[in-house]
Amino acid sequence: EVQLVQSGAEVKKPGESLKISCTGSGYSFTSYWSGWVRQMPGKGLEWVGIVYPGDSSTRYSPSFEGQVTISADKSISTAYLQWSSLKASDTAMYYCARRGYHYDRTGYYYYFDYWGQGTLVTVSS
Amino acid sequence: QSVLTQPPSASVTPGQRVTISCSGSSSNIGSNAVNWYQQLPGTAPKLLIYNNNQRPSGVPDRFSGSRSGTSASLAISGLQSDDEADYYCAAWDDSLNGVIFGGGTKLTVL
Repeated sequence: EVQLVQSGAEVKKPGESLKISCTGSGYSFTSYWSGWVRQMPGKGLEWVGIVYPGDSSTRYSPSFEGQVTISADKSISTAYLQWSSLKASDTAMYYCARRGYHYDRTGYYYYFDYWGQGTLVTVSS
Repeated sequence: QSVLTQPPSASVTPGQRVTISCSGSSSNIGSNAVNWYQQLPGTAPKLLIYNNNQRPSGVPDRFSGSRSGTSASLAISGLQSDDEADYYCAAWDDSLNGVIFGGGTKLTVL
């Protein structure tokens, strides 16, 4: 059974650093991209970026490039999302998700097929 | 403001059919597949439709998706109270070089 288990809720102060995690099991972690999605309180979903644990390649949304760092440790099947200096506006639920794919004669199709339970990050002075 | 435009809300009575629209452009829906996600209150999103009209294993055939030009739609028939949730469309955008989500549609089953 595919599972993504995220680290617990965090309460931090502005300017502090933070690294949250997402551990995958039940599939070949190095063969699928892992993604991060932000959901601010009462708002919609926003794509943060993705990482390929096989070679640590990353892709970022222009909105998040330079604001966060996505990484992965394939030895422990874990993806990370980190901040070096948090802001109050980083307060949100963060979901990790596996980027599944389907291949047919017309090409590859990608989607987020399994999701973690979410990590609530609260940044407040 | 999201690049993919969805109606913010929809309300229907049990047993009826509803269609949720998702409007984009040539750089996203017009050239890439659309996925739909369901987010029940207080839970993580769940994949509902992928590749415009494909259902993952376990998703009832009451849910169907379609794409035409730069728009897509999700149809839900035989509505049940359990279908009350937020629904999001998503697609790759070639200009932004990333995934974009619609703003979400809150479905209320009266």
